[in-house]
Amino acid sequence: DTEVTQTPKHLVMGMTNKKSLKCEQHMGHRAMYWYKQKAKKPPELMFVYSYEKLSINESVPSRFSPECPNSSLLNLHLHALQPEDSALYLCASSQGNNQPQHFGDGTRLSIL
Amino acid sequence: SQQGEEDPQALSIQEGENATMNCSYKTSINNLQWYRQNSGRGLVHLILIRSNEREKHSGRLRVTLDTSKKSSSLLITASRAADTASYFCATDAGSWGKLQFGAGTQVVVTP
Repeated sequence: DTEVTQTPKHLVMGMTNKKSLKCEQHMGHRAMYWYKQKAKKPPELMFVYSYEKLSINESVPSRFSPECPNSSLLNLHLHALQPEDSALYLCASSQGNNQPQHFGDGTRLSIL
Repeated sequence: SQQGEEDPQALSIQEGENATMNCSYKTSINNLQWYRQNSGRGLVHLILIRSNEREKHSGRLRVTLDTSKKSSSLLITASRAADTASYFCATDAGSWGKLQFGAGTQVVVTP
């Protein structure tokens, strides 16, 4: 079991749907991350939140909208996604700079 | 974008043998980290080595870092079937732990 919990594990949605991915950690970490990972590729950073504020956006399309309601929760709101957005979406948390990141098992997203 | 490259892309060994994989990167770093990913799972942190360290051990894992050559290696000794996974190096150059991952090495350990 991982200490970072992601829900749902799998999600299939149409291009016109709106859905949200959720991530939760109770390790007291103040930095949280969203990554996108395509098959047989390394994770690619999307967003970084530090102390509940967005600190890095890696030029992610606006159809992905992150939200950090509190220090334990991280959401990724999805709207009008494209088939190429199908991927494994990973959430991670850390204590901050120069610290390892703890990953959840991801949400496998399929866009029809 | 990826910071560096990993070599080899794939490695197939038998149980009990050692596995070595290499990582090269391009810019100055604060630390370099190694992660393991089992099929269909998230990444698991293995070792973090800081830029002022040259070698680090954790159980059957040994990591080296050569900042002059901008390279690192991960050695897994006495491998087991459970070590079958993809292994990624990741560089941390600052900015709240922004990691850039290498392409990864897929390791298969056969009994």
